[in-house]
Amino acid sequence: EAAVTQSPRNKVAVTGGKVTLSCNQTNNHNNMYWYRQDTGHGLRLIHYSYGAGSTEKGDIPDGYKASRPSQENFSLILELATPSQTSVYFCASGDPGQGQDTQYFGPGTRLLVL
Amino acid sequence: GDSVTQTEGLVTLTKGLPVMLNCTYQTTYSPFLFWYVQHLNEAPKLLLKSSTDNKRTEHQGFYATLHKSSSSFHLQKSSVQLSDSALYFCALTAYQGGRALIFGTGTTVSVSP
Repeated sequence: EAAVTQSPRNKVAVTGGKVTLSCNQTNNHNNMYWYRQDTGHGLRLIHYSYGAGSTEKGDIPDGYKASRPSQENFSLILELATPSQTSVYFCASGDPGQGQDTQYFGPGTRLLVL
Repeated sequence: GDSVTQTEGLVTLTKGLPVMLNCTYQTTYSPFLFWYVQHLNEAPKLLLKSSTDNKRTEHQGFYATLHKSSSSFHLQKSSVQLSDSALYFCALTAYQGGRALIFGTGTTVSVSP
C-alpha cells in the first residue's frame, strides 16, 4: 500500500502568521499534489509538482506557495494566513507518467486560522 | 473546462437496500474516472476507476460502468451495509495540471439499521 504522511495533523494559526504544512511520500512517485477540502466544494487543487525542484500552480493558488526539495517531500506554505484558509488540506502522490493515475492521499491536516 | 457533477448531496437509506450515486462529467479528452470514498476524519481512498467504455468495474460490492455516450459513471451497490456510511467523490483526471484530479462536490451516504 502506497504511503503518504502529513504533519501536523492539526494546526491553529493566527491571522497574518506563517504556516507550513509538510507532506512525505515513500511511493517514489514523481507527481505530488496539494488539495483543500471544503464543504460544498469537494477537493480543489492548490499546487502540484512533477518532481524535485518543480512546483506548479493549480486551480486556487492565491495565498499559497509550495516547495518540493526532494522526491519524497512537498510542502505547502501560507506566508500570511487568513481565516478564509481555514480548511482541511490533503497531500497526494501519483505517477501518471508510469500509468499510475491513481492518487494516494495522506491523512489530512486540519487548519484553523483565527 | 473539465468538470464533474454529483447531483445528490446526501443519500439516506436503510441497511440492505440498493443505492445509486450519480456522476456525470465534461471533458474534451479521453476520460479516466474514479470513485473515492472518505470515511469520517480519514483520507479519501480509491474505490473504483475506469477508462474503458461500457465495461463494468467492481470492488468491495460496489460497481460502476463508464458510459462515454452519456458522460456518466454512476456508482451502485445492491445491498448497503452500515459500514458504507461515508462521503463518496467522483473524480476525473485532468489532462493539464499534472494530471491532477477534478472532484465532484461529493455525496454523503448515511445508512441506518
